[in-house]
Amino acid sequence: DQQVKQNSPSLSVQEGRISILNCDYTNSMFDYFLWYKKYPAEGPTFLISISSIKDKNEDGRFTVFLNKSAKHLSLHIVPSQPGDSAVYFCAASQLASGTYKYIFGTGTRLKVLA
Amino acid sequence: DGGITQSPKYLFRKEGQNVTLSCEQNLNHDAMYWYRQDPGQGLRLIYYSQIVNDFQKGDIAEGYSVSREKKESFPLTVTSAQKNPTAFYLCASSIDLAAGANVLTFGAGSRLTVL
Repeated sequence: DQQVKQNSPSLSVQEGRISILNCDYTNSMFDYFLWYKKYPAEGPTFLISISSIKDKNEDGRFTVFLNKSAKHLSLHIVPSQPGDSAVYFCAASQLASGTYKYIFGTGTRLKVLA
Repeated sequence: DGGITQSPKYLFRKEGQNVTLSCEQNLNHDAMYWYRQDPGQGLRLIYYSQIVNDFQKGDIAEGYSVSREKKESFPLTVTSAQKNPTAFYLCASSIDLAAGANVLTFGAGSRLTVL
């Protein structure tokens, strides 16, 4: 049972346009949501996070939106750059037995075309 | 420079052999984790540890073992009991496991191939 889902395995966007990556979740008890970017054969790097009590967080070209009623979050990248081409994972954290665990989606491969 | 060092980067193993993947961090983080990544799948949690000499099973712990004898080190042993060990293994750490806003910092990963 996948609690965090990224239904689009890939996305192609023209350079300079907006990239929108989506993530759905099933567990309303998640406290925080995070986005990570990953290049091949490297570890993921943290991009941006959002608390479950907020609906938007912005950091430079990256904005994450959270819709709790729809159990949906999205990452907007604007303007998109060729260097943004990578796999993006969304993750959710949940308190369980006094400790937090992080559950990751399956990832979306973004390709930004020059 | 603070970070997480995983070694080796690539490892080949014959069936039936145990292999240990190293993970060392100099970030003074309390919590450490091991994840596994397979093609088309997300990162799946194998084991995690909040403090020295204590660790918990994640979602796919069968066929794996860990130890946490030092705060800086969290080695993962892939045993011969693991049915499908070929994968990309990622070690991560965070300041305190009991704080949801924590950012996981990842190592560069180790790719294990079973021949």
